[in-house]
Amino acid sequence: GENVEQHPSTLSVQEGDSAVIKCTYSDSASNYFPWYKQELGKRPQLIIDIRSNVGEKKDQRIAVTLNKTAKHFSLHITETQPEDSAVYFCAAKRGGGADGLTFGKGTHLIIQP
Amino acid sequence: NAGVTQTPKFQVLKTGQSMTLQCAQDMNHNSMYWYRQDPGMGLRLIYYSASEGTTDKGEVPNGYNVSRLNKREFSLRLESAAPSQTSVYFCASSTSWTGGDIQYFGAGTRLSVL
Repeated sequence: GENVEQHPSTLSVQEGDSAVIKCTYSDSASNYFPWYKQELGKRPQLIIDIRSNVGEKKDQRIAVTLNKTAKHFSLHITETQPEDSAVYFCAAKRGGGADGLTFGKGTHLIIQP
Repeated sequence: NAGVTQTPKFQVLKTGQSMTLQCAQDMNHNSMYWYRQDPGMGLRLIYYSASEGTTDKGEVPNGYNVSRLNKREFSLRLESAAPSQTSVYFCASSTSWTGGDIQYFGAGTRLSVL
């Protein structure tokens, strides 16, 4: 089955700096890669996703890049703000079916004032 | 439009007791999922249902059963709870179309088994 590795497990950055979280996946058939943000005690919420026919996608301060050959994808957050503090999860799945998502173990992002 | 609704929000069980976690969605989604979340482990898929009348095992199905009651509802049952099942349980749903899907999560059920 699919295996998703996520690094780092904890990331501390100064407010206003950029943050990068990286994930690798094992199943070459995976073609959908979402990123979820989870605040303490809350549900995971989708912040951005990318499909395998696209190399990069941006939404304001958030961007995701995908390298299918190397089987890795990354989340980039620019101009970090205190409200960006949360746990971020990457995930992967095969498209075209109802298979569930395989998640990474999460990155705790801490924004230092 | 409530999205994905889970009940109960909190539950404490004794070892060996049984219970059913309920999940309902009002987005007319075909596919529904149950995940568990443990500290440092991310979310792991327990069971999923591609459509009404079908269910399949995920990564960690042992000790659980599911029922897709109708298109809206997908329940998770613990027949004989064990301390290892102490976790936060999330239900999710998606449209599941070719090329990928977006999964929407419920607020979760925090379960403690003593």
